[in-house]
Amino acid sequence: DAGVTQSPTHLIKTRGQQVTLRCSPKSGHDTVSWYQQALGQGPQFIFQYYEEEERQRGNFPDRFSGHQFPNYSSELNVNALLLGDSALYLCASSLSTYEQYFGPGTRLTVT
Amino acid sequence: QQQVKQSPQSLIVQKGGIPIINCAYENTAFDYFPWYQQFPGKGPALLIAIRPDVSEKKEGRFTISFNKSAKQFSLHIMDSQPGDSATYFCAATMQFGNEKLTFGTGTRLTIIP
Repeated sequence: DAGVTQSPTHLIKTRGQQVTLRCSPKSGHDTVSWYQQALGQGPQFIFQYYEEEERQRGNFPDRFSGHQFPNYSSELNVNALLLGDSALYLCASSLSTYEQYFGPGTRLTVT
Repeated sequence: QQQVKQSPQSLIVQKGGIPIINCAYENTAFDYFPWYQQFPGKGPALLIAIRPDVSEKKEGRFTISFNKSAKQFSLHIMDSQPGDSATYFCAATMQFGNEKLTFGTGTRLTIIP
């Protein structure tokens, strides 16, 4: 049973560019949440998708957007990248329970 | 009111000792409190979790103690091993399932042989 998978593992982008990160949830899970983890900090909630709709959103600007596909996989898009967007981006999946399981993350570096 | 405060920021314990990590919250609507373990370059892994109707929960060498009146909870690691060296995060979330996790700031734990 595969856990949560994310791609790519690492990514280097330039300020002003756009980036798309991908997540496949754990088998059987229907809800995907995205978190941003800056170096030395706890993860911060970006948003959550359920039934292809954004169900909740944290305190992140509109430059951060997402999508969930019918197979429950999800994408996180960030436009107009800033240096401060450099972080580990984590995807977590769950199935109508409190337990959220995290993927290994995508390390984004903005130069 | 959404914050979860975690202490200490770092902790060094000798092998076999019992590291204790503490967390406090303000929002009484929180009703599920998980702990995550994170190794460098990896995603957080769910360790153990507790609901506020229980004062203590044990899973293997990991124990959560919960004090609802004080709005505090803590993680104890029994017979700690060097392999337990990692960053530990407490978190909290609310009912209705699938609510966002609010994380503490993390504790970097080092177990020395």
